[in-house]
Amino acid sequence: NAGVTQTPKFQVLKTGQSMTLQCAQDMNHEYMSWYRQDPGMGLRLIHYSVGAGITDQGEVPNGYNVSRSTTEDFPLRLLSAAPSQTSVYFCASSLRAGPYEQYFGPGTRLTVT
Amino acid sequence: SQKIEQNSEALNIQEGKTATLTCNYTNYSPAYLQWYRQDPGRGPVFLLLIRENEKEKRKERLKVTFDTTLKQSLFHITASQPADSATYLCALDLGGGKLIFGQGTELSVKP
Repeated sequence: NAGVTQTPKFQVLKTGQSMTLQCAQDMNHEYMSWYRQDPGMGLRLIHYSVGAGITDQGEVPNGYNVSRSTTEDFPLRLLSAAPSQTSVYFCASSLRAGPYEQYFGPGTRLTVT
Repeated sequence: SQKIEQNSEALNIQEGKTATLTCNYTNYSPAYLQWYRQDPGRGPVFLLLIRENEKEKRKERLKVTFDTTLKQSLFHITASQPADSATYLCALDLGGGKLIFGQGTELSVKP
């Protein structure tokens, strides 16, 4: 099993550009989520999904869109990048929502200039 | 709003001593709490989960306590080693799939 994979590892965007951060898992997990991590702020939940076709907002959803058309994939879209979205983004998955360990991907470091 | 706070400053201890990290929360009664380890440039890795009806949980040199009255969890590493140096994160489940994390405590174990 590859676990949770994220692409790209690094990305530089100009303000106003759009892009999609990819996340995939091969563990047949129902639950997937996206976090951003900024210095001194810890991990903040952006969006999450409890199963294919179901998504919901986390703590900081503004500026981000998600969809979950398959169990395996959970892409995160930035529609119009802003410097405030400069961060490290982590995708995570677990068997289902609830008391289950989260498996994290390696992260994507995004810089918006 | 729900709030989670961990030791705000980095923790520096000597090898062989016990490290104790604190996670305090307000305005919520979580059914369970999790602890993760994060190394620089890597994603967090799961360590332990403790439920509200469990006072204590152990795994090798790790021990977690959960006091729902004090709204606090303590994370202990006994006989600490330099390899234990990392950032440790606690996380609370808000229900329905919402998991929120504290800001983390950086632990440094000196030989």
